Amino acid sequence: KQEVTQIPAALSVPEGENLVLNCSFTDSAIYNLQWFRQDPGKGLTSLLLIQSSQREQTSGRLNASLDKSSGRSTLYIAASQPGDSATYLCAVRPSSGSARQLTFGSGTQLTVLP
Amino acid sequence: DGGITQSPKYLFRKEGQNVTLSCEQNLNHDAMYWYRQDPGQGLRLIYYSQIVNDFQKGDIAEGYSVSREKKESFPLTVTSAQKNPTAFYLCASSIIAYTGELFFGEGSRLTVL
Repeated sequence: KQEVTQIPAALSVPEGENLVLNCSFTDSAIYNLQWFRQDPGKGLTSLLLIQSSQREQTSGRLNASLDKSSGRSTLYIAASQPGDSATYLCAVRPSSGSARQLTFGSGTQLTVLP
Repeated sequence: DGGITQSPKYLFRKEGQNVTLSCEQNLNHDAMYWYRQDPGQGLRLIYYSQIVNDFQKGDIAEGYSVSREKKESFPLTVTSAQKNPTAFYLCASSIIAYTGELFFGEGSRLTVL
């Protein structure tokens, strides 16, 4: 059974710092991996989707990388801002199986201090 | 604007009552999903539907029921059989069921009094 881990559970950084959020998964047979942002009491907002054949995806100040063989993905946030404060979740979709539904990590709660 | 609308945002229920959470999407997506989120845990899949008039149980379907009579709508009923229903419920959709990018609604918070 796929397990997705996000460490640390919480992270505080000063404004302007570049930072990396980690996501690890136990089964490398994945179809894609998706990063989400969740603000308190809100739904999830899709940030980046990486297909298994890709190494990275970029959107603005965000860059997500994928290393299937080692079961890792990272989300790099450049020049962090207080508005980046939120919980960041990753989710992996398996490449086989009848359901092929996403498995979510528990998230990293990021606080960017002004 | 295209999106997913969940209602109500907050709902209070007495023990023994059934409640229905609404989810409507205008993205023309075939697949829809219901997830449950508890503090400190990842999202857990309750039910999903690949197409109209079809749905499958997820990991924690006991005590819940769904219907998919229209492409746009996927309501979730939390029945009195659900032992611990207090949670944040999230509806999502994707263009196709097994490979598509997931998009979420704003969520519904259910509290049992």
